[in-house]
Amino acid sequence: EPEVTQTPSHQVTQMGQEVILRCVPISNHLYFYWYRQILGQKVEFLVSFYNNEISEKSEIFDDQFSVERPDGSNFTLKIRSTKLEDSAMYFCASSVTSGEAFFGQGTRLTVV
Amino acid sequence: AQRVTQPEKLLSVFKGAPVELKCNYSYSGSPELFWYVQYSRQRLQLLLRHISRESIKGFTADLNKGETSFHLKKPFAQEEDSAMYYCALSVKTSYDKVIFGPGTSLSVIP
Repeated sequence: EPEVTQTPSHQVTQMGQEVILRCVPISNHLYFYWYRQILGQKVEFLVSFYNNEISEKSEIFDDQFSVERPDGSNFTLKIRSTKLEDSAMYFCASSVTSGEAFFGQGTRLTVV
Repeated sequence: AQRVTQPEKLLSVFKGAPVELKCNYSYSGSPELFWYVQYSRQRLQLLLRHISRESIKGFTADLNKGETSFHLKKPFAQEEDSAMYYCALSVKTSYDKVIFGPGTSLSVIP
């Protein structure tokens, strides 16, 4: 069964450093998403991406964040200058149609 | 504003007892609602959605537009049901996004 895959599973980075989280969505999916989950809190929407552009983003997704689909298969989330509060589990998801999103296993980002 | 609430952060039930996980939503459009489940150390996965009206692993959920609720129910809880459950709302703007509730951690006591 096709799956969304994310790499790495755990990333430790120093505050102020740039980090890129990678995702390979399911191949025939058209909508791509990033969510994050701070430890002990709920899953929060960050951004949705369709037709090679951002379709919607939340207030969390500020200028420090960017997304890219560089080669038609990968979908990346870049955090330009990480802060301690960026430490969270980041989930990538993809969908064919509305709503039924398939999630990756997540990348745990720890900013020290 | 679009919002999903799940009033119970933690819910403990005994094996074999009925389970109800509450979910309420706020959305001015026509809602499309889902339940996602996250077992320990596993990814979020779709459990069921209201439009399919199916029963998965013994769970059912009925959309009540009058009460703006989408409660998840199971008549007899099993130990393997212990997990984090998220109610989610699909919002149709120009495109789609899914808004999650805060989640309820279900613990089934043997």
